[in-house]
Amino acid sequence: IAGITQAPTSQILAAGRRMTLRCTQDMRHNAMYWYRQDLGLGLRLIHYSNTAGTTGKGEVPDGYSVSRANTDDFPLTLASAVPSQTSVYFCASSVLAGFSTGELFFGEGSRLTVL
Amino acid sequence: KNEVEQSPQNLTAQEGEFITINCSYSVGISALHWLQQHPGGGIVSLFMLSSGKKKHGRLIATINIQEKHSSLHITASHPRDSAVYICAVWPIIQGAQKLVFGQGTRLTINP
Repeated sequence: IAGITQAPTSQILAAGRRMTLRCTQDMRHNAMYWYRQDLGLGLRLIHYSNTAGTTGKGEVPDGYSVSRANTDDFPLTLASAVPSQTSVYFCASSVLAGFSTGELFFGEGSRLTVL
Repeated sequence: KNEVEQSPQNLTAQEGEFITINCSYSVGISALHWLQQHPGGGIVSLFMLSSGKKKHGRLIATINIQEKHSSLHITASHPRDSAVYICAVWPIIQGAQKLVFGQGTRLTINP
């Protein structure tokens, strides 16, 4: 592993199903983020974590949950998927959060389609 | 009005041309990021700036903190530079957790 790895890269999901998008980084970054990218709306923050054991809500958190049990992993869970959650999801990380964020590193994205 | 405005929204140029993409923001910031996203692809960080100028290969990024403005320049542009370029800023607000993104500039370089 080098950098950030997301899985799956693409998924079609029936509405109502539970889905977890995985994100793993090997850079020992403290801060991790989940964004969704939709045409015309740009990147929007779903949830973030400043350090292992802590998480926070971004601007579009409803319908999503995250956990940060350790430094490397930051999974995003859709408890009961709805069509409006069809999007491309990007995981990102940085050395620190806040003012001294440092360079951002992004995963390759997970394209999710909810039918 | 968005806190981060990019211009132009779309730019088409011929190979070899000098390219400038602008980013203006309305809040105090601690850092500004330039990101690149190829069609259907992932997002790559090009630069992080808090002052002055940075250069990497044919890419140059500048920032003027007083004027709240940054520019991304591409010299000797090439079709492989075709991508969406995104400006993002980290506001100086206590407890700020959210990068503020511009809407992106779609660049197309024709051979």
